[in-house]
This record gives sequence, structure tokens and C-alpha cells, in this order.
Amino acid sequence: TQLLEQSPQFLSIQEGENLTVYCNSSSVFSSLQWYRQEPGEGPVLLVTVVTGGEVKKLKRLTFQFGDARKDSSLHITAAQPGDTGLYLCAGIDASNYKLTFGKGTLLTVNP
Amino acid sequence: KAGVTQTPRYLIKTRGQQVTLSCSPISGHRSVSWYQQTPGQGLQFLFEYFSETQRNKGNFPGRFSGRQFSNSRSEMNVSTLELGDSALYLCASSPGDSYNQPQHFGDGTRLSIL
Repeated sequence: TQLLEQSPQFLSIQEGENLTVYCNSSSVFSSLQWYRQEPGEGPVLLVTVVTGGEVKKLKRLTFQFGDARKDSSLHITAAQPGDTGLYLCAGIDASNYKLTFGKGTLLTVNP
Repeated sequence: KAGVTQTPRYLIKTRGQQVTLSCSPISGHRSVSWYQQTPGQGLQFLFEYFSETQRNKGNFPGRFSGRQFSNSRSEMNVSTLELGDSALYLCASSPGDSYNQPQHFGDGTRLSIL
């Protein structure tokens, strides 16, 4: 069974601070996706990373896929209250199209 | 383009009853996946249907079952409900013909068991 560990589980910061959340596994994934979920809504895809070592930027968010495709990180620069939400990573196994989700990092950005 | 629609949004049942949840995917999407989300366990995969066939299955007991219709709409059934089945049930759709496609989630059905 493939498992994804996310850390930290909870993170509360002030507006303007930088932060990094992590997604780690002992298994290799074909690719990895990051989602953000807001209260009362379903998760929404932020990015898909496919190649080991790949870095993708989405405005103030920077995503990195580890060289061995076992881990990933999400860095947010100058966090804003609108960044508040549950950040989920999901590893994809291309052999069976199966997604495995981590338990998420609950981020709160205080004004 | 309409998103993924889940009905009902909220449901209250008692132990021992059964429940059916419905999911209408984005038009043209042939894959529908179901997940259970709880604070303690996070998002856990139940099963995935693609073109009316179950393509993947998670590690849930046989009380949890699903099906997909020819129009790609899907239903999930839980029989003999237990207190621990209280959760947010999410469905997600995708075209399903490539493994890197994004999952488009509905807003879920909140199931409470009394």
C-alpha cells in the first residue's frame, strides 16, 4: 500500500510570512498533484508535477517534485488570508490510474 | 461548463439503515471516483468507475458499493450503516483516459449517522 505523509498537519501564520509544506512517501509515484480544499467545498487542483526534480510556479506558490519522485514540497511566499485552506497532495500510480491522498496540511493565514 | 454535482448535500440516517448517494460528472467525463473524508483518516479512496466498469477499488468493506450508468452518472450505496460511516463523501470525475488528468471534485454529501 502506497502512503503519503504530509507535514506539518496544522500551520497557523501571519499574513506576509513564507511557509513550506511537505509531502513524503517511501514509494515512487508516476506523478503528483496538489489540491486545495476550502470549507464546505471539494478539493480543487493546483498543479500536477510529472518529472523528477521538476519545479512549477503558480503566482506566489512554488511546487517541487523530488528527484526520486517520492516526495514533493509546496512553498508559499508572502501568504495571504485567501491562501487559508486544506492543502492535499496526491500521488498517482500510472499502472492503475489510482490516486493516493495524504491527510493534508490545514493552513490558516491570519490578517 | 457545469461542474460535478452531488446529491443530496446533507443526509441524516440511523444505524442499520442504508443510503444511496448520487454523482453527476462533468459532461464528457467517463471516470468517476468516490472518496470518504474524515478528520482522522483524511481522504480515503473507495472505488473508481470508468465506462460503467469498476476499474479500481479501495480497502473498504463490502457494505460500500457503487455503480455507473451509461451516461456516466454514478451512485454509491452504503448498507447497514454504522456510526463510523459518518463522513463527507466526495466524488470526482475526469476524462479517465490518461493518468495525469485532474480530478474535478463535487462539494460532497455530508452523511451523519445517529
